[in-house]
Amino acid sequence: AQSVTQPDIHITVSEGASLELRCNYSYGATPYLFWYVQSPGQGLQLLLKYFSGDTLVQGIKGFEAEFKRSQSSFNLRKPSVHWSDAAEYFCAVGDSQGAQKLVFGQGTRLTINP
Amino acid sequence: EAGVAQSPRYKIIEKRQSVAFWCNPISGHATLYWYQQILGQGPKLLIQFQNNGVVDDSQLPKDRFSAERLKGVDSTLKIQPAKLEDSAVYLCAIQGGIQQYFGPGTRLTVT
Repeated sequence: AQSVTQPDIHITVSEGASLELRCNYSYGATPYLFWYVQSPGQGLQLLLKYFSGDTLVQGIKGFEAEFKRSQSSFNLRKPSVHWSDAAEYFCAVGDSQGAQKLVFGQGTRLTINP
Repeated sequence: EAGVAQSPRYKIIEKRQSVAFWCNPISGHATLYWYQQILGQGPKLLIQFQNNGVVDDSQLPKDRFSAERLKGVDSTLKIQPAKLEDSAVYLCAIQGGIQQYFGPGTRLTVT
């Protein structure tokens, strides 16, 4: 069965600073990997996804993530954060049967200092 | 883009009462999920439907939770009787290609 670990429960960065959120997964086959963002009281919005091809994927809102098979990682990055990026971020892995049955990490709460 | 409506958005009940949630996908999708998200945790899959049928309900507490999908479109999730530990956000999602689209969720508070 697949699993996801997000080592950082809470991260605080200053506005304009760079950001990296860590995600490690465990899955026997080629994984489908996702990053979702959740603002307070909102549903989950997909930032980006990976399932094959270029290991550096671009997403919405200026986010990108890099798939590293050797490290079983899929870290999320943004070169310069904005106050509106404050939210909860979830990494998820889907099974090889069309990315079904997502397993989520516990999430990383991002706080932005002005 | 697919859309998912859920109702109600908020619900407060006392323990041992029953409650029901509704999920209304805006456009037809074969695969539908219910997730439970406890405060401070990521969503956890409760049940997966393919059309009208249940594909996976291994993590559904079947002694108190039940779910059905009507005509392969709308779905309901019911809890009877509720326990304090059922306080959570219940998310409905539909599969569109390799991506899942989530509704806004129903926040349940059990007192």
